[in-house]
Amino acid sequence: KAGVTQTPRYLIKTRGQQVTLSCSPISGHRSVSWYQQTPGQGLQFLFEYFSETQRNKGNFPGRFSGRQFSNSRSEMNVSTLELGDSALYLCASSRLGGGHNEQFFGPGTRLTVL
Amino acid sequence: GNSVTQMEGPVTLSEEAFLTINCTYTATGYPSLFWYVQYPGEGLQLLLKATKADDKGSNKGFEATYRKETTSFHLEKGSVQVSDSAVYFCALSDLGDRGSTLGRLYFGRGTQLTVWP
Repeated sequence: KAGVTQTPRYLIKTRGQQVTLSCSPISGHRSVSWYQQTPGQGLQFLFEYFSETQRNKGNFPGRFSGRQFSNSRSEMNVSTLELGDSALYLCASSRLGGGHNEQFFGPGTRLTVL
Repeated sequence: GNSVTQMEGPVTLSEEAFLTINCTYTATGYPSLFWYVQYPGEGLQLLLKATKADDKGSNKGFEATYRKETTSFHLEKGSVQVSDSAVYFCALSDLGDRGSTLGRLYFGRGTQLTVWP
């Protein structure tokens, strides 16, 4: 069974640009969550999608958005990039979503903003 | 609110030494507790989990017991190996009201473990 895949693995952008990251969950998983990992703030929850609906949202500005498609694949978008957006963005999928359900993480997309 | 506090690293041990990484939590509802491990350049892998008080999660020689009375979930391993070198994260997922699906993960800051041969 294929794991969670994220594309691209590495990305370099400049301030003010926008970026779209993609996540393909494990087959059969309907929940996709996104996390931002930085040395200063650690792992922070961005949002969770389930059956194409955003079900949970962390404390991030509106520049961070996401969506989920009917095949459960998810994208997150960051507009007007800032230097502080440089981070590892991790996607996690689970069958039904958090709680007792195990979340499986992808390898992440390393975003560098110059 | 929900939060996880784990011991500051880095932790440096010799091979075959005993490992303990402390983790305590605050939760408003009925948390499940997890330990994740992150190897360099990779995402997070679930190491073990416990879903109710007094449960013991175990995997690959690692163990952690869900202690509700002390709100703790300490990670232990009797004999570490060089291959255990990684960053370890304690996390909780709090369902809140039973039946709720609000199960986002709350993570500790991570503990870097380095094991020398």
